[in-house]
Amino acid sequence: DAMVIQNPRYQVTQFGKPVTLSCSQTLNHNVMYWYQQKSSQAPKLLFHYYDKDFNNEADTPDNFQSRRPNTSFCFLDIRSPGLGDAAMYLCATSRGFGGAETQYFGPGTRLLVL
Amino acid sequence: EDQVTQSPEALRLQEGESSSLNCSYTVSGLRGLFWYRQDPGKGPEFLFTLYSAGEEKEKERLKATLTKKESFLHITAPKPEDSATYLCAVQAAETSGSRLTFGEGTQLTVNP
Repeated sequence: DAMVIQNPRYQVTQFGKPVTLSCSQTLNHNVMYWYQQKSSQAPKLLFHYYDKDFNNEADTPDNFQSRRPNTSFCFLDIRSPGLGDAAMYLCATSRGFGGAETQYFGPGTRLLVL
Repeated sequence: EDQVTQSPEALRLQEGESSSLNCSYTVSGLRGLFWYRQDPGKGPEFLFTLYSAGEEKEKERLKATLTKKESFLHITAPKPEDSATYLCAVQAAETSGSRLTFGEGTQLTVNP
């Protein structure tokens, strides 16, 4: 089945220690998104890629970076995680970005910062 | 600014007790309204897209409807496996691209 895969499902890191989260997709979609979701809150968009074009949301902290080496993979890098960065990180994909495109989500990575 | 408000925040039902979840929205031109189901510790699972007022979609025990100001997710004869958080999100015509504005969700618990 075509799907969005995230690894690892759970990640524990130390305060200030860089961490990378991974997302891959077999849907062959052009757009990949990263969201942050804290407990009982709505998902918050951090950035998205349309093919290789990177688009940062205005309020995304500089501490968060992303890479998309090819169509299938996208990475979220947190350069110096703080306690406030503990959250569920969701990857999503959509076929395009110009219309009412459905976004399909992966299972998420739960990040714990000690 | 686009806004999505979901109510109630939490809902407890007995198995077989039908009910509705509400999603009120304010957008500058609606491109699409989306319903997702999210189980604890997992990513949102796509349920429905509605595009225009009057549209309805059904899937098993779920039926989504849309007016110019709100959407309802009707759950008929729910089962315990329907327990989850249901998220509503909108894409606004004025918003660049396919950005979603989410509501905070309704946490549904169905007791056997």
